[in-house]
Amino acid sequence: QVQLQESGPGLVRPSQTLSLTCTVSGGSISSGGYYWSWIRQPAGKGLEWIGLIYTTGSTTYNPSLKSRVTMSIDTSKNQFSLRLASVTAADTAVYYCARDSISVVGGVVVAHFDYWGQGTLVTVSS
Amino acid sequence: EVVMTQSPATLSVSPGESATLSCRASQSISGNLAWYQQKPGQAPRVLIYGVSTRATDIPARFSGSGSGTEFTLTISSLQSEDFAIYYCQQCNNWPLCSFGQGTKLEIK
Repeated sequence: QVQLQESGPGLVRPSQTLSLTCTVSGGSISSGGYYWSWIRQPAGKGLEWIGLIYTTGSTTYNPSLKSRVTMSIDTSKNQFSLRLASVTAADTAVYYCARDSISVVGGVVVAHFDYWGQGTLVTVSS
Repeated sequence: EVVMTQSPATLSVSPGESATLSCRASQSISGNLAWYQQKPGQAPRVLIYGVSTRATDIPARFSGSGSGTEFTLTISSLQSEDFAIYYCQQCNNWPLCSFGQGTKLEIK
């Protein structure tokens, strides 16, 4: 059973950099066909996809956050990480890491997040 | 950017009845549509992907349908554990994905 666990500071000062790590257990982060994403959710609001990384280190970010986001992967530790620069109160949210599973359904390549971490609350405040 | 709009925002249904949740995309998204259930304090859980394929261990009372821009999640014979918030998600231009704003399914 694949499990994901987020870790990192729960409080970040405005204008600083938010840093989180996701540790994957029960499976290899290098397994083909899977990608690794960060998703966030402000309190009482919906879900926002932040970005994705593959085992090769290839990344894709949400255009709305692209200028501030950096993701990295450490296959030796089975971990991937998120850095979000120049944070403001608007970045306060529960941050989830998730596995993005790719499959073919009816001839269409489809994606869904099949495993999620429990989420970690990050508050941006002075 | 594909915008997903869910309706209604809140749906009140009695246990044992059926619920129909809707999700509309701002442009055609072919078959790249998934549904998630989220309970308070928990991470979302995938229910349906590829419009109508149930995820592992998801009961048959959950079903998905639709095409193009209009999609539906139907939950038949509602159980107490089904009352939660439901989100649709599209990845038509994968890996760029986006979610709807959610529908809260509450007990009537």
